[in-house]
Amino acid sequence: GENVEQHPSTLSVQEGDSAVIKCTYSDSASNYFPWYKQELGKGPQLIIDIRSNVGEKKDQRIAVTLNKTAKHFSLHITETQPEDSAVYFCAAEDTDKLIFGTGTRLQVFP
Amino acid sequence: DAMVIQNPRYQVTQFGKPVTLSCSQTLNHNVMYWYQQKSSQAPKLLFHYYDKDFNNEADTPDNFQSRRPNTSFCFLDIRSPGLGDAAMYLCATSSGTAFYEQYFGPGTRLTVT
Repeated sequence: GENVEQHPSTLSVQEGDSAVIKCTYSDSASNYFPWYKQELGKGPQLIIDIRSNVGEKKDQRIAVTLNKTAKHFSLHITETQPEDSAVYFCAAEDTDKLIFGTGTRLQVFP
Repeated sequence: DAMVIQNPRYQVTQFGKPVTLSCSQTLNHNVMYWYQQKSSQAPKLLFHYYDKDFNNEADTPDNFQSRRPNTSFCFLDIRSPGLGDAAMYLCATSSGTAFYEQYFGPGTRLTVT
């Protein structure tokens, strides 16, 4: 089955700087890779996703890149703001479910 | 707005006392999932329903059961909660044609005393 690794586990940045979170997956058959943001006490919120036929996808300050050959994908947040502080989870699809990474706690300091 | 609703948001139960958590959705999605999330960990899938077809994860304890009486509602029953079952329980939905685009509810925080 699919296995997803996520790094780093914690990330601290200054407001305005960029943040990058990386994930690797094991099953080359996976074709869908979402990213979720989870604020304290709330459920995960889907913020961006990418399918295997695309190498990069952007939505305002966030972008995701996918390298299918190397089996890794990354989340990029530019011009970080304090409200970006949260736990971010990557995931990969495995048949009819998602396999989540272990999460990255992002702290953005003013 | 279409959404996933979970009730209650906070639930306290006693050790061994059965408890039921509720999830409803207005998205008209075919698939509903239940996850358990412990502090600082990723969500762990317990089971899911595709319409009325129930799919249990191999490592989900028998203590956890689920019911889906109709498209909109799904329940998580914990028959005899132990201290180790204290966690956030998350409900999620996806359409049958896009399994992987899952939308989560706000979660129910379960405390076992």
